[in-house]
Amino acid sequence: AQSVTQPDIHITVSEGASLELRCNYSYGATPYLFWYVQSPGQGLQLLLKYFSGDTLVQGIKGFEAEFKRSQSSFNLRKPSVHWSDAAEYFCAVGGNDMRFGAGTRLTVKP
Amino acid sequence: GAVVSQHPSWVICKSGTSVKIECRSLDFQATTMFWYRQFPKQSLMLMATSNEGSKATYEQGVEKDKFLINHASLTLSTLTVTSAHPEDSSFYICSAATGIEQYFGPGTRLTVT
Repeated sequence: AQSVTQPDIHITVSEGASLELRCNYSYGATPYLFWYVQSPGQGLQLLLKYFSGDTLVQGIKGFEAEFKRSQSSFNLRKPSVHWSDAAEYFCAVGGNDMRFGAGTRLTVKP
Repeated sequence: GAVVSQHPSWVICKSGTSVKIECRSLDFQATTMFWYRQFPKQSLMLMATSNEGSKATYEQGVEKDKFLINHASLTLSTLTVTSAHPEDSSFYICSAATGIEQYFGPGTRLTVT
């Protein structure tokens, strides 16, 4: 069965610092991978997705993620974090049978 | 494009009553819609998958008689929480799919008193 692990429940970074959120997946075939962001009380916003092709994926708001099949990982990165990036981030795998990770809460220090 | 709406955005109901939540794809037709539940500070858990014109498929542990799902058209799915109890209080999120990708609604906050 497919599953997603986000090892970090909570991460705090200073504004302007770089960010990496980890995501590991278990999937039987080539996975469809997604990163979503959720602000409190809001729905999900898609940051980026990977279906195939170039393993480095660019998304919105300056985010990128790299698919590494050998490590079963799809880590999310941003070179310089803004205070408005504080939110909950979810990694997800699958298509019509999508499974979400537990989420990583990002706090941004001024 | 690919906008999904939910109505209401929040609802308070008394224990024992039923409440209906609507999920609409506004600018596309969705062959499949999904209903998720999210408890505070937790991830999304898939409750059920519905295809237009057919019965919903429920995830293990989800009571199909309590969470009634109707997918009457390619743009509308409804979730009815029957005989609601305080433990049903949660954030309910729907999504609509065209192919692989799902588009998520803004969620409905249900509080049962």
